[in-house]
This record gives sequence, structure tokens and C-alpha cells, in this order.
Amino acid sequence: QKEVEQDPGPLSVPEGAIVSLNCTYSNSAFQYFMWYRQYSRKGPELLMYTYSSGNKEDGRFTAQVDKSSKYISLFIRDSQPSDSATYLCAMRRGNEKLTFGTGTRLTIIP
Amino acid sequence: GAVVSQHPSRVICKSGTSVKIECRSLDFQATTMFWYRQFPKQSLMLMATSNEGSKATYEQGVEKDKFLINHASLTLSTLTVTSAHPEDSSFYICSARPGLAELYNEQFFGPGTRLTVL
Repeated sequence: QKEVEQDPGPLSVPEGAIVSLNCTYSNSAFQYFMWYRQYSRKGPELLMYTYSSGNKEDGRFTAQVDKSSKYISLFIRDSQPSDSATYLCAMRRGNEKLTFGTGTRLTIIP
Repeated sequence: GAVVSQHPSRVICKSGTSVKIECRSLDFQATTMFWYRQFPKQSLMLMATSNEGSKATYEQGVEKDKFLINHASLTLSTLTVTSAHPEDSSFYICSARPGLAELYNEQFFGPGTRLTVL
């Protein structure tokens, strides 16, 4: 079993819809949780960063962490075609290395 | 702020040659830099972690004599793929972690280098 599980998709939704992306993990020691967006043939771009449980909102993006369920989510409101990309969840304990999910390919249909 | 650059963005080389990839943090000092490789439609695989002025720590299964990493300064790390072979063709991505306390928990990625070995 992988430490971090993420549905690879692909996921296609119409423009304007709310997108929900999720990851589950098995290591309860993870403390820091990130979401990265990666466009094709580009490096990942940090979207959201959360420490421990709770919600964090930044514009159209909301990140949620539920440590009791070992489950994290990223919500995208009012989705745009420019949001089409691969979204990677990542997490780590302390200063240890990041552990990534496999990424979910998202396409927003105009 | 927090920009990481990589050079070159794309390289094609013949089998048996060595290729050097540079990773620079442009507007911050990076105490730690990471090197990843990514195959098509797959996630990032950590190859090694390097701290400025010390030897890199390689992940299990990564040949340290084949993938030479140098982190000579707080803004520059290099990855040299020695005696490259077609199976080394991949997308190599570096990332850097700032030394500043308020950004220490974040990690910023470069744009990646696509290596093709003929």
C-alpha cells in the first residue's frame, strides 16, 4: 500500500463547476500538507500549504485537512479552463522529504 | 519571489555522454535542494537531497556514481548524469527549500529539464 493514495483520474468537469480533489494517507505522523499544480511539461507550482488539521482558503481554492480520517481535499470554485492541469498532493513530517500522490489530471471543459 | 530556475530546459545527447543540469534559486538562499525525476503521467520520484556544502543523500536504488550532485552554494545545485543511456531519458526537476524561517516549510520547484538520450 502506498503511503499516499490519489485517484489519477482523468477528471473532466464543465467550466464554472466546483472541483473536488482528494488524497488519503496512511502515515499519521505527517504534519505538513501541500497541493501543487503542474501544467504539462512544467515543474510543479505550490498552490496551497497547510499545517496540521483545518481549512485554508486562497481565492477560488480551499484546502482541507482531516488528520483523524487521514484525508485531505482541494476544492476549486468557479473552475476555469486555465485550471486544467495535474494536481499533486504532497505531505511530510517535520524536515523529512515530501511524499507525493500520483497526481490527478483535471480538464475543465469550456 | 521564491523563483527556481533550471538550465537547460531541454537537452538531447548521445548515449555514453555526460549531461549537467543546473538548478538555481534566484531570489532566496536554499539550504536544501532536491532532485526528482518524473516519467510520463507519473508522479515525482525523489532521487536525492542535498544540503549546501555537504554530500547529497541518495534515495534507495539511485546510483550516486551515475547521478552526481553538487550543492556548492546556497543558490546553486547541479546534477550530472554520467554516461547517459536511453533509459535515463526523463524529466528531471529540482526544488529548493528556503533557509528563511517563515518559508522553511515550503518547497519551490524549478521548471524541469527534459533529457533525451539517443
